Amino acid sequence: AQSVTQLGSHVSVSEGALVLLRCNYSSSVPPYLFWYVQYPNQGLQLLLKYTTGATLVKGINGFEAEFKKSETSFHLTKPSAHMSDAAEYFCAVSDRWAAGNKLTFGGGTRVLVKP
Amino acid sequence: DTEVTQTPKHLVMGMTNKKSLKCEQHMGHRAMYWYKQKAKKPPELMFVYSYEKLSINESVPSRFSPECPNSSLLNLHLHALQPEDSALYLCASSQEDTDTQYFGPGTRLTVL
Repeated sequence: AQSVTQLGSHVSVSEGALVLLRCNYSSSVPPYLFWYVQYPNQGLQLLLKYTTGATLVKGINGFEAEFKKSETSFHLTKPSAHMSDAAEYFCAVSDRWAAGNKLTFGGGTRVLVKP
Repeated sequence: DTEVTQTPKHLVMGMTNKKSLKCEQHMGHRAMYWYKQKAKKPPELMFVYSYEKLSINESVPSRFSPECPNSSLLNLHLHALQPEDSALYLCASSQEDTDTQYFGPGTRLTVL
């Protein structure tokens, strides 16, 4: 079975500061990893994904994440926070070999950006 | 274009009502999904359709009935719901059932 742990249900950052959201996963097979963002009263928007190849993945809105197999981590970063980054962020893992493409989500991290 | 549309945006229904949620995508995706999301929680998978056939039912109560009339359309029929079924219902689609899922904006359902 797969699982995802996001450290910190809430993160507060100042505008212009580094955003770091932590995600650790467990999987018995090489995983596909995702970060999604959810703005209030909206659906989930894909920020970035890791499938194979380069372990540093760049996404939309200046976000990037690095897959570290030895640490079973997929932390999300953005060098400089913007007020528009205030949202809920979900890390997710899928089992590429399982039928149905079930996504297992972490509990989510709510980001607050202070002016 | 990675757009998944859902209607209605909001729905209020009584416990004896019958209603339906609709999801549509025109990206040629062959897998479609229904998720339920309670407040301050991550989405929970309910159903997966692959090539218009139900491939996964995550032990969802029978008061939720999915339907996939064609490759672009996914419905969720609701009947005799309970107040605890109030949630945001999200639809997603992917190219195949092994690919990245793209989500719609959701339908906010309130059961009175």
